Amino acid sequence: AQSVTQPDIHITVSEGASLELRCNYSYGATPYLFWYVQSPGQGLQLLLKYFSGDTLVQGIKGFEAEFKRSQSSFNLRKPSVHWSDAAEYFCAVRVPNDYKLSFGAGTTVTVRA
Amino acid sequence: DSGVTQTPKHLITATGQRVTLRCSPRSGDLSVYWYQQSLDQGLQFLIQYYNGEERAKGNILERFSAQQFPDLHSELNLSSLELGDSALYFCASSDDRALGEAFFGQGTRLTVV
Repeated sequence: AQSVTQPDIHITVSEGASLELRCNYSYGATPYLFWYVQSPGQGLQLLLKYFSGDTLVQGIKGFEAEFKRSQSSFNLRKPSVHWSDAAEYFCAVRVPNDYKLSFGAGTTVTVRA
Repeated sequence: DSGVTQTPKHLITATGQRVTLRCSPRSGDLSVYWYQQSLDQGLQFLIQYYNGEERAKGNILERFSAQQFPDLHSELNLSSLELGDSALYFCASSDDRALGEAFFGQGTRLTVV
């Protein structure tokens, strides 16, 4: 069955520390991959996306993600976290020619001073 | 601002009632998607419309229906509401190019009491 897994429900990180959020997918072929962020009371904002090509993709707000086909993973990273990065992060996939997104369960990030 | 507008932002209603959620997509986007975000189910795709026609259906209950009008705005109708229908309902739109991304509105928070 097709699925998107975010193994970490909640991560706490100190301001200025690095952050890595994990995402694994199970699909027959390589899907299109996305990371979205949801701040409290807000909608979903796209951080970055991967369709093909360079496996390291840069996004907004200083985030990057690396696609690893062998591990079926698309992990999100940020070298130095700011307090404003406290939010919920969702990994999402869609298969080519199908425009609907399938989301992981989300990872809540708390930033401590 | 994603360009996708959802109204109302909040809705409180009683069990058994019917409500209508409205979505205006980004200018030029022909596709509209509806998603439900709840604590127990996470983010679930409900339904997609493309240029007025239903294109894909997800985990949408029979009590729920949607439509897309000639001006491309969409409405999600929820009837015979139950406590479990309390959730955040998101609308997203895309232009459906091969690599088109989905832009999300800020959601409608539905509380059924």
